[in-house]
Amino acid sequence: NAGVMQNPRHLVRRRGQEARLRCSPMKGHSHVYWYRQLPEEGLKFMVYLQKENIIDESGMPKERFSAEFPKEGPSILRIQQVVRGDSAAYFCASSPQGAVYNEQFFGPGTRLTVL
Amino acid sequence: LAKTTQPISMDSYEGQEVNITCSHNNIATNDYITWYQQFPSQGPRFIIQGYKTKVTNEVASLFIPADRKSSTLSLPRVSLSDTAVYYCLVGDPLAGKLIFGQGTTLQVKP
Repeated sequence: NAGVMQNPRHLVRRRGQEARLRCSPMKGHSHVYWYRQLPEEGLKFMVYLQKENIIDESGMPKERFSAEFPKEGPSILRIQQVVRGDSAAYFCASSPQGAVYNEQFFGPGTRLTVL
Repeated sequence: LAKTTQPISMDSYEGQEVNITCSHNNIATNDYITWYQQFPSQGPRFIIQGYKTKVTNEVASLFIPADRKSSTLSLPRVSLSDTAVYYCLVGDPLAGKLIFGQGTTLQVKP
């Protein structure tokens, strides 16, 4: 059973460009979470999605950031008009439907560098 | 949400037992205590979770006193590969999102 997959692993963008980060959850998992980790800091929750629904986006910046988890295909975290402060590692996690325990399986992350 | 406090860093030597304590004075009735481990350049990995008393698995033990205001992660006989950041999280397991603090950076020396 493959783990959570994220691509690309490294992404370089210039200021003002768009960044698209992809996350494929583990097989059978219908819950996806996105977290951001700035250098030397802990992970910060961004958004929690189920298939075709955003459950909790309380950690998402109000502007330029959006996330989706379509019926088919990976979850996408989209950052428009990137700025240097967006440089960070972005982690995706998934969990099984109806998981009682707070056990999330994390992917390897996408490291975004904004020049 | 219950706030957690844990040491910023700890040093140990190979073969020793390591105990990392986490304080969570405002833990709620529905909250569970969960520990994650993160190696450099990797995503966090679930280690152990508990509600009260003691939980043990193949990786670690988790001790939770009766008042649940603190918990201790115990790693038996650490090796160099246990060098990582360890996060203590407290929350309702049905809430979805995980709230990470600064974590404890454990450095295991030969």
